[in-house]
Amino acid sequence: QTVVTQEPSFSVSPGGTVTLTCGLSSDSVSTGHYACWYQQTPGQTPRTLIYSSNTRSSGVPDRFSGSILGNKAALTITGAQAEDESDYYCMLNMGGGVWVFGGGTKLTVL
Amino acid sequence: QVQVVESGGGVVQPGGSLRLSCAASGFTFSGYGMHWVRQAPGKGLEWVTYIHFDGSLIFYADSVKGRFTISRDNSRNTLYLQMNGLRRDDAAVYYCAKDNYYGSGTRGLDSWGQGTLVTVSS
Repeated sequence: QTVVTQEPSFSVSPGGTVTLTCGLSSDSVSTGHYACWYQQTPGQTPRTLIYSSNTRSSGVPDRFSGSILGNKAALTITGAQAEDESDYYCMLNMGGGVWVFGGGTKLTVL
Repeated sequence: QVQVVESGGGVVQPGGSLRLSCAASGFTFSGYGMHWVRQAPGKGLEWVTYIHFDGSLIFYADSVKGRFTISRDNSRNTLYLQMNGLRRDDAAVYYCAKDNYYGSGTRGLDSWGQGTLVTVSS
């Protein structure tokens, strides 16, 4: 069974840059996986940040960007703000209409 | 604006059934695929199922295959999730979400509802 991997936790200083990654246990992530990224603060509904690897969802600040870095999908936050402290989930398309989430990354801004 | 509102959650005994609904508005419901995603208490997100814009293609996570059925009524702008044979590990907040691709295909989740809580307990 394919597992989508994410760093369990990460920290960044205010104003700093951080890159979170999303990989596959037995394959490389490509544009064909249409990687998506979601942000969720505790008790809140998830918010869509990125879809199709690098397309920002409407209203998402441009400090959030998505890409494919090597064999993983990546979410980069440039100029992190305190309000970016959240859980971040990636989701990959595994073929057809089947999707799989990663376990999430808890980002701390301090 | 785009809005999806879930309903139908509640407390059900193990082995029981529940039907969730998701009322959509603010977009052309019949043109978009739809998803259900769940989140157990204190856990991460889990994709559950997807239905094509016209209902012609359906996909499930292995964890619910054979027990859950997704369907839609485009005349009522409503998505459904019939859950049978519920287990304790099905307890979660269930979110309905619109796909961000118009027509045939899926590109991930776009707009999310607030979720409806399903509790499985005897």
